[in-house]
Amino acid sequence: DVKVTQSSRYLVKRTGEKVFLECVQDMDHENMFWYRQDPGLGLRLIYFSYDVKMKEKGDIPEGYSVSREKKERFSLILESASTNQTSMYLCASSLPGTAQPQHFGDGTRLSIL
Amino acid sequence: AQSVTQLDSHVSVSEGTPVLLRCNYSSSYSPSLFWYVQHPNKGLQLLLKYTSAATLVKGINGFEAEFKKSETSFHLTKPSAHMSDAAEYFCVWSDNDDKIIFGKGTRLHILP
Repeated sequence: DVKVTQSSRYLVKRTGEKVFLECVQDMDHENMFWYRQDPGLGLRLIYFSYDVKMKEKGDIPEGYSVSREKKERFSLILESASTNQTSMYLCASSLPGTAQPQHFGDGTRLSIL
Repeated sequence: AQSVTQLDSHVSVSEGTPVLLRCNYSSSYSPSLFWYVQHPNKGLQLLLKYTSAATLVKGINGFEAEFKKSETSFHLTKPSAHMSDAAEYFCVWSDNDDKIIFGKGTRLHILP
């Protein structure tokens, strides 16, 4: 079974801090994704990556950046955290192609104070 | 623009009765469609997927969905609800141009 591991389940940070969320998958998937999930809004795509060192903006990339130096690891970076970035963050991975299902981590609940 | 609409934000059913969660999508030549389930404090788990093979798709935990092109629907059903089915369910659409769209979710409540 594919395992997608997010480094923290819960995280509390202060406004203005630089925040790193880490995600690791163990099935050699090419695709990796970062979403945020908010009540009533569902999942919104922040960034995705189709290969090492490649990244593409999703629907809401403002205030975020990503890094993919190794195939198994995809990091989400909040450059200067703000309170409106308080949310549940979900990482996912998949084989190439949008007909492939995504495999999700358990999420990181991030609070920015 | 392409879209996915989950017609109910909340659905309540009694244990042992049928479940129907509705999903409509905007038309596409050959969409892929998925249903995912999310239990509290967990990530999303794939229930089933449609990728232009059989129109009736069977998934895990007794769930199934029927792709109806004429109605642009992909409703999720289960004959008999169980307490463990209480969760949030997401309908997801994708095309061949690497576009993926999530519905806003339906929260399923199971009444004892």
